Amino acid sequence: GAVVSQHPSWVICKSGTSVKIECRSLDFQATTMFWYRQFPKQSLMLMATSNEGSKATYEQGVEKDKFLINHASLTLSTLTVTSAHPEDSSFYICSARGHDSGGAYNEQFFGPGTRLTVL
Amino acid sequence: RKEVEQDPGPFNVPEGATVAFNCTYSNSASQSFFWYRQDCRKEPKLLMSVYSSGNEDGRFTAQLNRASQYISLLIRDSKLSDSATYLCVVYRNQFYFGTGTSLTVIP
Repeated sequence: GAVVSQHPSWVICKSGTSVKIECRSLDFQATTMFWYRQFPKQSLMLMATSNEGSKATYEQGVEKDKFLINHASLTLSTLTVTSAHPEDSSFYICSARGHDSGGAYNEQFFGPGTRLTVL
Repeated sequence: RKEVEQDPGPFNVPEGATVAFNCTYSNSASQSFFWYRQDCRKEPKLLMSVYSSGNEDGRFTAQLNRASQYISLLIRDSKLSDSATYLCVVYRNQFYFGTGTSLTVIP
């Protein structure tokens, strides 16, 4: 199956710093990428949807100025958590979806996740 | 009301047991349905899609009842390696995840 990578896999940072997480689709072109957040014992919650070359669409309650998303190419999307605080500590997972040549929906593949701990 | 509701468990079953998970979804316009498996501190991985006619993949059987907005997963002959959290997922323009049902298979 298709592969989606994330980097870094884990990060520990001080409060107030910014953290960038990269999401790459390794063997397909991802027209759409999604960023999720999962707190312990809770479900994955969609934060934002990004389409290559356009601005991300954020879910209600997610601050777009705090969680900056850039989807500059068909294989790379980045999420930057600006001025991170302890409450931002979470498991951040990206997923990527492509379309075949006929425009049909393809399966959504998940990255391995990034565990962020803000001290 | 949550889009997807699941019994969080935990389910602790002996090896070889049969275990069933249930899930309900709130929006009748939901288009596609899935069961994902998530191991501790890992990303979710697709276990199987769920169809109205019911579908089976080895020891796993999934059922969808659109009228009741109810999805089920049955695992037969449980293995130790089946221990994980099982996520009920519904697609309607985006994926909606349940909180997951924790399963531990005991030797």
